[in-house]
Amino acid sequence: DQQVKQNSPSLSVQEGRISILNCDYTNSMFDYFLWYKKYPAEGPTFLISISSIKDKNEDGRFTVFLNKSAKHLSLHIVPSQPGDSAVYFCAASGGIRATNKLIFGTGTLLAVQP
Amino acid sequence: DTEVTQTPKHLVMGMTNKKSLKCEQHMGHRAMYWYKQKAKKPPELMFVYSYEKLSINESVPSRFSPECPNSSLLNLHLHALQPEDSALYLCASSTSDRDYNSPLHFGNGTRLTVT
Repeated sequence: DQQVKQNSPSLSVQEGRISILNCDYTNSMFDYFLWYKKYPAEGPTFLISISSIKDKNEDGRFTVFLNKSAKHLSLHIVPSQPGDSAVYFCAASGGIRATNKLIFGTGTLLAVQP
Repeated sequence: DTEVTQTPKHLVMGMTNKKSLKCEQHMGHRAMYWYKQKAKKPPELMFVYSYEKLSINESVPSRFSPECPNSSLLNLHLHALQPEDSALYLCASSTSDRDYNSPLHFGNGTRLTVT
């Protein structure tokens, strides 16, 4: 049972344009959401997070939006750069056990074309 | 450069071998994690250590045995593995397993192949 889903396995965007990566979740107990970026042969690198008490968090070129009623979050990257090409995982945590146990989505491969 | 260091980077072992994966962090984090990632799949949690005590075991087979000798080190002892255990094993740390506003910092992983 996949509690965190990224329905787009891949996305291709032109350099300078906006990249929008989407993520849906099913567990209403999740209250903290993160985005990680992963290059081949490296571990995931933390990008940005958002708590369920907010609907937007911005850090430089990266903005995460959270729609709790739709159980949906998205990551916007603008402007996109070739170095952003990587696999992006969304992750969620929270719930009854309240431990830092991340549940990852299946990932979206972003390719930014020069 | 990652602040979580994992060794070795690659490991090939037979099904009768005993080997260990090592992870080290010097960020003062008190929670450490083992994740397993198969090809084209998301990382899946295996174990969580909090203040050097095992707090979560995600029903991992006993052929995987974690150990946390001190707050900076985390080991994963491997014995009698199966070919389907071949995967990327990721270590991570965070300030605390109860503060889930603290993101996990991952190492670059150990690519394990069981023959």
